[in-house]
Amino acid sequence: EAGVAQSPRYKIIEKRQSVAFWCNPISGHATLYWYQQILGQGPKLLIQFQNNGVVDDSQLPKDRFSAERLKGVDSTLKIQPAKLEDSAVYLCASSLERAYRGPGNTIYFGEGSWLTVV
Amino acid sequence: GIQVEQSPPDLILQEGANSTLRCNFSDSVNNLQWFHQNPWGQLINLFYIPSGTKQNGRLSATTVATERYSLLYISSSQTTDSGVYFCAVDRGKSTFGDGTTLTVKP
Repeated sequence: EAGVAQSPRYKIIEKRQSVAFWCNPISGHATLYWYQQILGQGPKLLIQFQNNGVVDDSQLPKDRFSAERLKGVDSTLKIQPAKLEDSAVYLCASSLERAYRGPGNTIYFGEGSWLTVV
Repeated sequence: GIQVEQSPPDLILQEGANSTLRCNFSDSVNNLQWFHQNPWGQLINLFYIPSGTKQNGRLSATTVATERYSLLYISSSQTTDSGVYFCAVDRGKSTFGDGTTLTVKP
């Protein structure tokens, strides 16, 4: 079974430029998560989708970050304009079904997209 | 929102030693997972354990949901166990602790 796919793996941009990250979750997984992980900290949830609807985006800086999940499968996270403090790893994850309380709801992570803003 | 605290923040062991990592959370949760983040940044799921005890080889975990804590045990540690261990809970949304950085010396 293929895992969570993310691209690009690495990106260096100048501040005020824009960047987009792509995620393809595990096939059949209804829930998709985007996290931001700053060096030395735990991942912070930015947005959580259930199919193509947003479950939680309370920590998404909406003035510069946007995310969408077309047709309930792939997702794109965009940052525009980027700031120096956006330098982080952006992690995509998926799980079978958020409402299902059991081992089937285990969260699986992609390898992450490393962003450096200079 | 829910608070997740992990202890200790850093742990240095000699190969072969045992260790216990702790995760405290401030409210009841639906789900709890332990992850290992390797030096390349990949997060690997270790246990899905909202309650009870599970074992997988040299690793085991126990969650006491009524007392709002979970423990991860690593026995006979190996250098490949080095990395950051995270606890993540779900109470409406997914929340991670700040992790325990484990260094196992040969």
